[in-house]
Amino acid sequence: DVKVTQSSRYLVKRTGEKVFLECVQDMDHENMFWYRQDPGLGLRLIYFSYDVKMKEKGDIPEGYSVSREKKERFSLILESASTNQTSMYLCASSGSIVNTIYFGEGSWLTVV
Amino acid sequence: GQSLEQPSEVTAVEGAIVQINCTYQTSGFYGLSWYQQHDGGAPTFLSYNGLDGLEETGRFSSFLSRSDSYGYLLLQELQMKDSASYFCAVRDLERSNDYKLSFGAGTTVTVRA
Repeated sequence: DVKVTQSSRYLVKRTGEKVFLECVQDMDHENMFWYRQDPGLGLRLIYFSYDVKMKEKGDIPEGYSVSREKKERFSLILESASTNQTSMYLCASSGSIVNTIYFGEGSWLTVV
Repeated sequence: GQSLEQPSEVTAVEGAIVQINCTYQTSGFYGLSWYQQHDGGAPTFLSYNGLDGLEETGRFSSFLSRSDSYGYLLLQELQMKDSASYFCAVRDLERSNDYKLSFGAGTTVTVRA
């Protein structure tokens, strides 16, 4: 079974803090994604990566950056957390068949 | 860009049939997928349609009409465990070697005894 592991399930951070959300997948997938999920808005794509050191902006990249130094790891960075970034963050990965993506369990971030 | 429309919620009784419609607008189109998410859990893949027609997987079926930019997910013989949110998603190929999978806002299905 594909496993996508997000290192932190629940985090509480202060406004202005730098926040790192880590994600690791174990299936040698080329493609990795970060989504944000908010009630009534569904899943919105923040960034994605189709190869090591490659990244592309999604629909809502403002306030976020990403890092993919190794194929299995994709990190989401909030340079200066703000309260409107309180949300659930979902990491996902896929092989060449992009229509099937595998999600991690999610990281619930609260910024106070 | 792309946008997807699906109903926000549906309620039905056990044993019933539910159809969740999804209409989409994309600048390029490479297939419609469906995902299920239970409360507190991660979304999981249900089905994919790359070509027009019906795809059946057990009690669930998915349909696509590319000319109408429309698809649906059909849940048959509803069970309590089918209470979840269901998302349609489109693959929107913007360049030859990268893409985005964009999701609708989700439909909450509530199954009552």
